[in-house]
Amino acid sequence: DAGVIQSPRHEVTEMGQEVTLRCKPISGHNSLFWYRQTMMRGLELLIYFNNNVPIDDSGMPEDRFSAKMPNASFSTLKIQPSEPRDSAVYFCASTSGLRNQPQHFGDGTRLSIL
Amino acid sequence: TQLLEQSPQFLSIQEGENLTVYCNSSSVFSSLQWYRQEPGEGPVLLVTVVTGGEVKKLKRLTFQFGDARKDSSLHITAAQPGDTGLYLCAGEGGSEKLVFGKGTKLTVNP
Repeated sequence: DAGVIQSPRHEVTEMGQEVTLRCKPISGHNSLFWYRQTMMRGLELLIYFNNNVPIDDSGMPEDRFSAKMPNASFSTLKIQPSEPRDSAVYFCASTSGLRNQPQHFGDGTRLSIL
Repeated sequence: TQLLEQSPQFLSIQEGENLTVYCNSSSVFSSLQWYRQEPGEGPVLLVTVVTGGEVKKLKRLTFQFGDARKDSSLHITAAQPGDTGLYLCAGEGGSEKLVFGKGTKLTVNP
């Protein structure tokens, strides 16, 4: 079975540019999470969706970040305009939504803003 | 705000040694999950502990959930180079959200 698929795997761009990260969750999973991982702050939850509806976006750093889930098989995280401090590895994870079930992570997008 | 503190942050040991990693909080969690992450990959679940005092074993790995469900430990017996990785604990507070610790980066030298 295919796991969570993220694209691109790596992104290098100049500050001020728009960045779009993409995620395809595991089929049948109804909850999707976006995380950011850095050495300093570890793994931080940015936003999560349940049945395509944003439930908690309290982790989104600022208005430059936005996320959408137009259908059950696709989500995007957009940064506009990007800044060097946004450089990190961004992970998407999905889960069935049942209690005590694991979150299944993609392999992440390594984002570098120059 | 629920926080999970992991210790030690870094651990470098020789093959065959034993080690324990700790995950502590002042908050109560309904369950606690341990993940292992290798470079260039996402975290992968190792185990979920649910009941206070619960002990689970996964080959050479032993996981324990504290009686008060505020802390957990991971003990590895006779560590091997293949155990190298970042070990993350994550607490579930009642919703789907997980609170992650910052992790313990383990290096097992041959």
